[in-house]
Amino acid sequence: ILNVEQSPQSLHVQEGDSTNFTCSFPSSNFYALHWYRWETAKSPEALFVMTLNGDEKKKGRISATLNTKEGYSYLYIKGSQPEDSATYLCASAMIQGAQKLVFGQGTRLTINP
Amino acid sequence: NAGVTQTPKFQVLKTGQSMTLQCAQDMNHEYMSWYRQDPGMGLRLIHYSVGAGITDQGEVPNGYNVSRSTTEDFPLRLLSAAPSQTSVYFCASSLTGGLVQPQHFGDGTRLSIL
Repeated sequence: ILNVEQSPQSLHVQEGDSTNFTCSFPSSNFYALHWYRWETAKSPEALFVMTLNGDEKKKGRISATLNTKEGYSYLYIKGSQPEDSATYLCASAMIQGAQKLVFGQGTRLTINP
Repeated sequence: NAGVTQTPKFQVLKTGQSMTLQCAQDMNHEYMSWYRQDPGMGLRLIHYSVGAGITDQGEVPNGYNVSRSTTEDFPLRLLSAAPSQTSVYFCASSLTGGLVQPQHFGDGTRLSIL
């Protein structure tokens, strides 16, 4: 069974600071890695989908990197704003189970004004 | 486009009752899936479908049935509700299978089983 771990579970950051958190997944038979942003009382919203080792994706102040050989992805937020407060989910799929997406438990980010 | 629409938003059932959670998408997506979200557990895949007429089990399929008679609809059936099925249920869809496309989520159905 694919096990996806996210750390830390929660994070408090001052407005204006930059932050990052980690998603770990089994490196063997890797297929795809997803990042989602989930605001309270809303539904998860896709940020990035990455498939290639060394991939880097960027959307505004948010960026992500992927290392498939060692099985981790980092999500970075530059200059945090209160509207960045949310839970950030990552999810991975393996080649053998390529139709099944397995989610981590999420990192809950709170930006203090 | 409405995107992914789930109904109902809230439901309370008694143990042993059956019900169907509805999910519809108007984006002509091939891939549809159901997840449940429990505190401390993250999103767990219940069932998924890669196209009309094709369904398969996810991580936690017991107690749930699905069917996919049309591209648009993917209902989730609870055959005999149990308190362990109290959860928030999310339906999601993506353009194709293979999971290299982002998932589009519905707003969720909050289900309580008494």
